[in-house]
Amino acid sequence: GQQLNQSPQSMFIQEGEDVSMNCTSSSIFNTWLWYKQDPGEGPVLLIALYKAGELTSNGRLTAQFGITRKDSFLNISASIPSDVGIYFCAGQEETSGSRLTFGEGTQLTVNP
Amino acid sequence: NAGVTQTPKFQVLKTGQSMTLQCAQDMNHEYMSWYRQDPGMGLRLIHYSVGAGITDQGEVPNGYNVSRSTTEDFPLRLLSAAPSQTSVYFCASSYWKLSGYTFGSGTRLTVV
Repeated sequence: GQQLNQSPQSMFIQEGEDVSMNCTSSSIFNTWLWYKQDPGEGPVLLIALYKAGELTSNGRLTAQFGITRKDSFLNISASIPSDVGIYFCAGQEETSGSRLTFGEGTQLTVNP
Repeated sequence: NAGVTQTPKFQVLKTGQSMTLQCAQDMNHEYMSWYRQDPGMGLRLIHYSVGAGITDQGEVPNGYNVSRSTTEDFPLRLLSAAPSQTSVYFCASSYWKLSGYTFGSGTRLTVV
């Protein structure tokens, strides 16, 4: 089946630093989504991307839909302690209908 | 507006027992899905539905059944629980096939 490669698997940063994580796929995606999951909770949608080359921001978060439609990245600027959590990319292939494929997640730790 | 509600939050089963994980949404969403989350593996799709009366298999459907008799409810049935089904289960819903899914807070299932 479809695989999404998400990297890095984990990051340990100091408060105030910028963070970047990315996802690549072997197939073309129509949609890229970025989620954050806090401990004991379900994932929460951060940013949705629908067009190749699209760059979208949500506060300190910025995500881009790669030109090849096979990759996406998420940047977090000026990190704060509440950014701690697991970040997931997810995508929908052209032929998958409504099904989402998730990456394995990036565990972010922010040291105050 | 409660969003996506999952019950129970925690459950311990003995091998061979059956049970139903409940999922309800009050947002009139057509698309609903069940995922399981295991350490280091992201979220994997079990079953999904694009509307009442329509269901289909995802990536890991074996050992699970679903039905969708109403728009609001999408229960997941474990037919004969196995230790390999120990996991965190998330239900999610969406109003449009390319929009981001809203997740419930999960059911933590342990099979002993």
